[in-house]
Amino acid sequence: QVQLVQSGAEVKKPGASVKVSCKASGYTFTSYGISWVRQAPGQGLEWMGWISAYNGNTNYAQKLQGRVTMTTDTSTSTAYMELRSLRSDDTAVYYCARLGRDGYNFDYWGQGTLVTVSS
Amino acid sequence: EIVLTQSPATLSLSPGERATLSCRASQSVSSYLAWYQQKPGQAPRLLIYDASNRATGIPARFSGSGSGTDFTLTISSLEPEDFAVYYCQQRSNWQAFTFGPGTKVDIK
Repeated sequence: QVQLVQSGAEVKKPGASVKVSCKASGYTFTSYGISWVRQAPGQGLEWMGWISAYNGNTNYAQKLQGRVTMTTDTSTSTAYMELRSLRSDDTAVYYCARLGRDGYNFDYWGQGTLVTVSS
Repeated sequence: EIVLTQSPATLSLSPGERATLSCRASQSVSSYLAWYQQKPGQAPRLLIYDASNRATGIPARFSGSGSGTDFTLTISSLEPEDFAVYYCQQRSNWQAFTFGPGTKVDIK
């Protein structure tokens, strides 16, 4: 069965960087894209960007351009999301999600990783 | 950027009642609209894709309809486990995605 397993919770200081991992199993990793979505406490879902696991092409949300980098390691079927210059409003649960076959929705999700930014 | 609005913000209903949730797009998204359910402390779960197709394992009481700018998610008869927050989502031609703000279905 398809599974996306994310790395554990992180606590970071303002200005630092965080890198979250998402290990995929149960399907051919390079056949699907991976997107990252975050959710601040008590808030809705915010799309951050996506990466093609096939060729590494990316598209980031305009709001995060310059601060976020998404990568994949096809040898371990793992996707990564790095966010730099962290601010307190980056405190959120970060989810990875597999893009559905037609690329228009997210059919499987990771369990989420809480990133807390606090001095 | 295509903006999605959802109404109502909160829907208070009793088990067994019918729930009708609305999602409106600021411009046409054709039929490329999805619905997700999220329960507290859990990741979202895909319910409906391409406006009207149920995802794998989703019960038949969930149905979606609409195209263009107006979409509806209907839960024909609410079960206790259906009380949750529901989000709609679209993808633009520029491969950017947006979510609606969500509708909370709570117990009356």
